[in-house]
Amino acid sequence: SQQGEEDPQALSIQEGENATMNCSYKTSINNLQWYRQNSGRGLVHLILIRSNEREKHSGRLRVTLDTSKKSSSLLITASRAADTASYFCATPRDNYGQNFVFGPGTRLSVLP
Amino acid sequence: SQTIHQWPATLVQPVGSPLSLECTVEGTSNPNLYWYRQAAGRGLQLLFYSVGIGQISSEVPQNLSASRPQDRQFILSSKKLLLSDSGFYLCAWSQTSPAEQFFGPGTRLTVL
Repeated sequence: SQQGEEDPQALSIQEGENATMNCSYKTSINNLQWYRQNSGRGLVHLILIRSNEREKHSGRLRVTLDTSKKSSSLLITASRAADTASYFCATPRDNYGQNFVFGPGTRLSVLP
Repeated sequence: SQTIHQWPATLVQPVGSPLSLECTVEGTSNPNLYWYRQAAGRGLQLLFYSVGIGQISSEVPQNLSASRPQDRQFILSSKKLLLSDSGFYLCAWSQTSPAEQFFGPGTRLTVL
């Protein structure tokens, strides 16, 4: 089955700095998603990138996808303390696109 | 707009007791529904998913079960809880493909 694995497991930065998280997966996919989870809360969808896209932006978020390397990155620019959360990538479990496998996540701490 | 509810928010149960967690979705029809479990500081483990009333797929064999008695209601149950059932339980729904998932607020279950 597909599996996304985030790297690093934990990241601590100062407010205003950029944060980069990476996700690697094992087999071909047609899309990849990133989610955010504040402590003790449900996950919130951030962005979906399709296999024919190389880069996608949403506000301060930039997601890249390199299908040749089977990897994706999430960049948060000009980070804020409110960005402190865990970030997960999710890859399709099968070709139907209804189920996803979530990685263990990157815990981001943005220090004021 | 669509909303998803989970209750209870927090639950403390003794080993061997039964369990019933409920999830309801409003504002959409015929959604795909999912139950996940998340151990502390870890990623999500898919437990069950449903594409329609009475249609349940189990991903992990265990002492939990799920039911979908109505289109927008998903219930997670156990007849006898184990210590290992402790965790954070998340319900989610999706509709389109590829499927962005919308998560509920979660239930924190502690089995003592």
